[in-house]
Amino acid sequence: QKEVEQNSGPLSVPEGAIASLNCTYSDRVSQSFFWYRQYSGKSPELIMSIYSNGDKEDGRFTAQLNKASQYVSLLIRDSQPSDSATYLCAVNTGNQFYFGTGTSLTVIP
Amino acid sequence: SQTIHQWPATLVQPVGSPLSLECTVEGTSNPNLYWYRQAAGRGLQLLFYSVGIGQISSEVPQNLSASRPQDRQFILSSKKLLLSDSGFYLCAWSTYRRGEAFFGQGTRLTVV
Repeated sequence: QKEVEQNSGPLSVPEGAIASLNCTYSDRVSQSFFWYRQYSGKSPELIMSIYSNGDKEDGRFTAQLNKASQYVSLLIRDSQPSDSATYLCAVNTGNQFYFGTGTSLTVIP
Repeated sequence: SQTIHQWPATLVQPVGSPLSLECTVEGTSNPNLYWYRQAAGRGLQLLFYSVGIGQISSEVPQNLSASRPQDRQFILSSKKLLLSDSGFYLCAWSTYRRGEAFFGQGTRLTVV
């Protein structure tokens, strides 16, 4: 079983819509959770961190964490063409840092 | 502020040749350091991580090795490259307290 699982997509949304990305993880001792954005040919860039159950908002991004369900999500409001990228979910279990395979998002103008 | 340097950006190597990729971090002390590999269109595969000088943990058995000779230096090596070693290699650092990982620019390795 993979430590972190995401739907690979691709996910397409029209400009201005809400994009919803989901992630599940298997290790119950996981301590911190992250979303990264990766443009083609570039290294991943951190966009959100979340450490406790509930919602965390930062601009157009909202991360949601449910530790009981071992589920993390990312909502992108008012999606823009520049949001088109692969989004990686990541889990830190202490010293080990695991990533999902990523969800490809395309925002259609 | 913290920065991470990784080089070279691209590398083309013949099968059977050695490999050495270097990564250094500035502006922090005693970071956790990581090497990942990303095959084309795939996710990040954790290869090695290190919590201190000389302390290396391997996630995937293979013909690669890693070393941490100094607190903020992490090196990925191979004695003989295979075609399957091609990919995008990423170095990252994090601190235990906060947990976020930050990546270098990556090295795109093509083994021919």
